[in-house]
Amino acid sequence: RKEVEQDPGPFNVPEGATVAFNCTYSNSASQSFFWYRQDCRKEPKLLMSVYSSGNEDGRFTAQLNRASQYISLLIRDSKLSDSATYLCVVNMNRYNTDKLIFGTGTRLQVFP
Amino acid sequence: DVKVTQSSRYLVKRTGEKVFLECVQDMDHENMFWYRQDPGLGLRLIYFSYDVKMKEKGDIPEGYSVSREKKERFSLILESASTNQTSMYLCASSHPRQGGYEQYFGPGTRLTVT
Repeated sequence: RKEVEQDPGPFNVPEGATVAFNCTYSNSASQSFFWYRQDCRKEPKLLMSVYSSGNEDGRFTAQLNRASQYISLLIRDSKLSDSATYLCVVNMNRYNTDKLIFGTGTRLQVFP
Repeated sequence: DVKVTQSSRYLVKRTGEKVFLECVQDMDHENMFWYRQDPGLGLRLIYFSYDVKMKEKGDIPEGYSVSREKKERFSLILESASTNQTSMYLCASSHPRQGGYEQYFGPGTRLTVT
């Protein structure tokens, strides 16, 4: 079983739609969680951290469910510029050093 | 803004050649990482370093080595390049803080081994 699993998509949605991605992780000892965004042929960049209480940043809402070991990302009022691959990322502590484990990503395509 | 630079965007090498990929960061970060990214496999950690002259194997270190002689520079070495090392290579750096941290990535080097 992969440590971090995501639906690869693609999710094709019209502008203005609400779309949600889920991600599951296998290790209950995982310490912290993130969503990164990767545009085509570009490097990944941090979108937002995910807290147990849930957090919101404009049109983006991230939530964590530790009991079920999943993370979600909700995007409201989708824009064309939201088209990208969204990577679910889990922080593991291995070798006494923080280490990020990346999911393979969910591709979002927003159309006019 | 944090800046992570990589020596080449595109590189073509022949099988058996020794390949050096250089990464430099300008934010005095302790941690540096080398990943490769392949379709359907995501980012996989090759090696990381949490201090000068320190290195740790990641999940797929075979066929690679690294060097960190200065804090800002982390080099990935392919001792004898093979076609299965054709990939996108991404360098990242971070400053650790309790509870997790953000990694800053370079633009990547697309390596083709023929």
